[in-house]
Amino acid sequence: EAQVTQNPRYLITVTGKKLTVTCSQNMNHEYMSWYRQDPGLGLRQIYYSMNVEVTDKGDVPEGYKVSRKEKRNFPLILESPSPNQTSLYFCASSLLGEANQPQHFGDGTRLSIL
Amino acid sequence: AQKITQTQPGMFVQEKEAVTLDCTYDTSDPSYGLFWYKQPSSGEMIFLIYQGSYDQQNATEGRYSLNFQKARKSANLVISASQLGDSAMYFCAMREMNRDDKIIFGKGTRLHILP
Repeated sequence: EAQVTQNPRYLITVTGKKLTVTCSQNMNHEYMSWYRQDPGLGLRQIYYSMNVEVTDKGDVPEGYKVSRKEKRNFPLILESPSPNQTSLYFCASSLLGEANQPQHFGDGTRLSIL
Repeated sequence: AQKITQTQPGMFVQEKEAVTLDCTYDTSDPSYGLFWYKQPSSGEMIFLIYQGSYDQQNATEGRYSLNFQKARKSANLVISASQLGDSAMYFCAMREMNRDDKIIFGKGTRLHILP
């Protein structure tokens, strides 16, 4: 089954404790992206990647890191999480260069930073 | 400036009525795609419908249709014969093909279907 898998689904942690949210897709998609969703603000792009070893900042990259060492994986790293990073996070993937290809989304990760 | 504008934060519609969710966009890229996603209370993002900038006809998918007015830069979603299960958050998104395939989302419209 074609899917994007995020882990964990829920996480409560404390300020400053490094965390990683994993994202994996099995569709051989080149394009992967991380979003955060906050009430009234919609989905905002954090980082995206157009292929292995190619990553770029989205609209709200501060406080986050990503890596793309393999095509299928695109982890999101919070080196020193702060309460303003409490949010719902989505990973998504799609084919590159195909305008009509929708993004496939993971089920979301709800992060609470205390 | 916002590239995707959804002017209706919330809407209430009677069951079985048709509903139009507004979306306007701003781009200078001649090649782009417009998408609508549904997010029910369970949280997952569900792709509904797509419209390409070069498509001559409005897209349709079952009860969903897209009223695409290119000159006005609008891509409104029309849901015919609304059902209680249509209650959800709806997001309009745009993919700009000549800008790294960048994808931008609107802030969403929360639709409530009343029995």
